[in-house]
Amino acid sequence: AAGVIQSPRHLIKEKRETATLKCYPIPRHDTVYWYQQGPGQDPQFLISFYEKMQSDKGSIPDRFSAQQFSDYHSELNMSSLELGDSALYFCASSLGSQPQHFGDGTRLSIL
Amino acid sequence: KNQVEQSPQSLIILEGKNCTLQCNYTVSPFSNLRWYKQDTGRGPVSLTIMTFSENTKSNGRYTATLDADTKQSSLHITASQLSDSASYICVVSEGFQKLVFGTGTRLLVSP
Repeated sequence: AAGVIQSPRHLIKEKRETATLKCYPIPRHDTVYWYQQGPGQDPQFLISFYEKMQSDKGSIPDRFSAQQFSDYHSELNMSSLELGDSALYFCASSLGSQPQHFGDGTRLSIL
Repeated sequence: KNQVEQSPQSLIILEGKNCTLQCNYTVSPFSNLRWYKQDTGRGPVSLTIMTFSENTKSNGRYTATLDADTKQSSLHITASQLSDSASYICVVSEGFQKLVFGTGTRLLVSP
């Protein structure tokens, strides 16, 4: 069965650079969620979209923005990257109130 | 503050043995409770999901229990296998789809 696809799997950036992470939800899922998981920490909710509109906002820094496109894929844009942004970024998708299915994440390393 | 606490933090067991992981939560309003398995560097994979009215649910060698009165859940793993080595995360849904993550139990199954 198709799963949530995230790209890239790994990304290395330097401080003050920008990064774009992509998420392709399971077909027919209408909601996308972004999470940030620091080393040894539980995932922290960043932001979610339902039918291409922002539905909820968590601890997402102002330097980050996200959107969901007409084909339901989502992108997380990160600017002025800081060392503390190094983390695993997960995308999850769901259909309505059904359980969220997680992708394998993008590991972002800031040098 | 809505919280999910898990114990133990880490656990080492011999292959073939059983183990039980605990989860206590204070999340309100409660919608459902899920147990996820997370392999290192991978996205969480759902094992079980229980609503308020369910007090036990099985998925193969995994059996989850829920006591909504005491706000406690457990995940019992029988006849452990080396592939069970992973982090097990208890996640409680606060209202509609807002997830509160526990910090997880890191399980190591030793041959």
